[in-house]
Amino acid sequence: EVQLVESGGGLVQPGRSLRLSCAASGFTFDDYAMHWVRQAPGKGLEWVSGISWNSGSIGYADSVKGRFTISRDNAKNSLYLQMNSLRAEDTALYYCAKDQEAAGSSPYFDLWGRGTLVTVSS
Amino acid sequence: EIVMTQSPATLSVSPGERATLSCRASQSVSSNLAWYQQKPGQAPRLLIYGASTRATGIPARFSGSGSGTEFTLTISSLQSEDFAVYYCQQYNNWPPAFGQGTRLEIK
Repeated sequence: EVQLVESGGGLVQPGRSLRLSCAASGFTFDDYAMHWVRQAPGKGLEWVSGISWNSGSIGYADSVKGRFTISRDNAKNSLYLQMNSLRAEDTALYYCAKDQEAAGSSPYFDLWGRGTLVTVSS
Repeated sequence: EIVMTQSPATLSVSPGERATLSCRASQSVSSNLAWYQQKPGQAPRLLIYGASTRATGIPARFSGSGSGTEFTLTISSLQSEDFAVYYCQQYNNWPPAFGQGTRLEIK
């Protein structure tokens, strides 16, 4: 079955760190760029970060630049998001999303996971 | 950065009728525009890419049109399962950007 499964979310205090993971199955993972998209409670979608098939090209939204780091392990069919210096405004459901092509330079998302919830609160 | 604006915020339509949703870009995105459907408690689902190409498995009642800065998603005869939130997204310029969504509700 073609799917993405996120994990690693939870309740964390402001200023602390969290690492999200996304396990991919049912498709050739290293043929595609991958992304993280988040959705704050009751709000719309916000692209967070993307990584090309070979990790050669990486991008971040201004809102997370310098605090979040995206990475992937093609041998494990996995995508990661290291989130440091978390803020209340980072509270959201974080989706892993598959790009339709390898480079990730013009991304739209043809497969989504169910998301993992990150809550930043003291 | 390109700003995507969707209208209306909420659209009330009766089952069987046509729904027309609009999306405007702050500058030209050519035809690099996608539409997604999101139902409560579910992840978004890709409906349309390239402004007018239906994704795999998407029914023919969904159609997209437009180019440049003005885009439209039309649902020709609304079914009960179509009531959801719809987002447009540009992928012509970096970073990719979503509209704020249109909620399609039953009239």
